[in-house]
Amino acid sequence: QQQVKQSPQSLIVQKGGISIINCAYENTAFDYFPWYQQFPGKGPALLIAIRPDVSEKKEGRFTISFNKSAKQFSLHIMDSQPGDSATYFCAASISGGAQKLVFGQGTRLTINP
Amino acid sequence: DSGVTQTPKHLITATGQRVTLRCSPRSGDLSVYWYQQSLDQGLQFLIQYYNGEERAKGNILERFSAQQFPDLHSELNLSSLELGDSALYFCASSAQVTNEKLFFGSGTQLSVL
Repeated sequence: QQQVKQSPQSLIVQKGGISIINCAYENTAFDYFPWYQQFPGKGPALLIAIRPDVSEKKEGRFTISFNKSAKQFSLHIMDSQPGDSATYFCAASISGGAQKLVFGQGTRLTINP
Repeated sequence: DSGVTQTPKHLITATGQRVTLRCSPRSGDLSVYWYQQSLDQGLQFLIQYYNGEERAKGNILERFSAQQFPDLHSELNLSSLELGDSALYFCASSAQVTNEKLFFGSGTQLSVL
């Protein structure tokens, strides 16, 4: 119930293309869904986050799509750039308390120039 | 730069030994979180402290312990080390007791030989 399943494990996209990473969760109590970006040798950094009261959130080239009924959410990176090459983690938690953030297994994204 | 400082960056030790990992949170952040990152387990939440008090516990082994000091820095103590403890250990901080907007340090790479 506490798991967040992320796919694919790795993804290669051409420069200018759209990168799509998917996550699914089981615990319907989750109400906060962030995405973290991690570059080699660095810690994860918060990229964008969404709550279930909206179906989509966009920040620049990054968009989260959320489907509450399917218990799925996804990250779309438009006009993907080589600098976007990193590992992306989805996560979920229950807000309003000291609840642990449950991370997906990560997706290694490579953008070919 | 996230503002979270972790030392040391690398640690090589032998089985059965004890080590201490140190974390200084961002200025003003009261919450400190410890995560373990390994290839097979992904990012696993270990423990959270808020203003010196333990607030949440995750998959932390009994051989591991942590504390947060009055100056808000935190230490993660790992004892009776086993080969399987080899991993990247991250510290993260946040301003509040809830786990939104975590800022991660660059991690301590622990190698147990």
